[in-house]
Amino acid sequence: AQSVAQPEDQVNVAEGNPLTVKCTYSVSGNPYLFWYVQYPNRGLQFLLKYITGDNLVKGSYGFEAEFNKSQTSFHLKKPSALVSDSALYFCAVRDLGYQKVTFGTGTKLQVIP
Amino acid sequence: DAGITQSPRHKVTETGTPVTLRCHQTENHRYMYWYRQDPGHGLRLIHYSYGVKDTDKGEVSDGYSVSRSKTEDFLLTLESATSSQTSVYFCAISESGRTSGKNEQFFGPGTRLTVL
Repeated sequence: AQSVAQPEDQVNVAEGNPLTVKCTYSVSGNPYLFWYVQYPNRGLQFLLKYITGDNLVKGSYGFEAEFNKSQTSFHLKKPSALVSDSALYFCAVRDLGYQKVTFGTGTKLQVIP
Repeated sequence: DAGITQSPRHKVTETGTPVTLRCHQTENHRYMYWYRQDPGHGLRLIHYSYGVKDTDKGEVSDGYSVSRSKTEDFLLTLESATSSQTSVYFCAISESGRTSGKNEQFFGPGTRLTVL
């Protein structure tokens, strides 16, 4: 079975500071990892994904994520937070060869002006 | 949300009544999914489809059925709605092919369902 954990329900960061949203996963094989963002009253939007190759993945809106196989983590990062980054962030995992995607419970990011 | 619509966007119904939610896509993607979103649970998969008339259950399929008679439409039916099915329902699509497991999902705008 595959699973994903987002240990923080909420992350607060000051505007201009770096931000990190944590995600750890568990799969039996090689993982496909995804980050999505959800703004209020909207559907989820794709941010970035890790399939294979370079452990540092760059995505939309200046976000990046680092895949760490030994720690089974895929933390989302941004060097300088914007107020407009405030939203709900979901990590998701898909085991190789398995069609279903498992989502984390989400982390609310609050960027304080 | 481009290319995916959900209807209705809001619905209030009573316990015991059947309810059908519709997802329509214009992207011609093979895979379609229904999720429910609840606080503290994130998104949970209800059912998904990997082609016309081909569907499979997700982790929370009890009390729900689906149908896909055309590529573009995926219907979710609550056979007899209960208060525990009050939730926000999202449809998602993804591309097919040999690398389909690598493809991200695209989500609709959601349907907020309240069962009284």
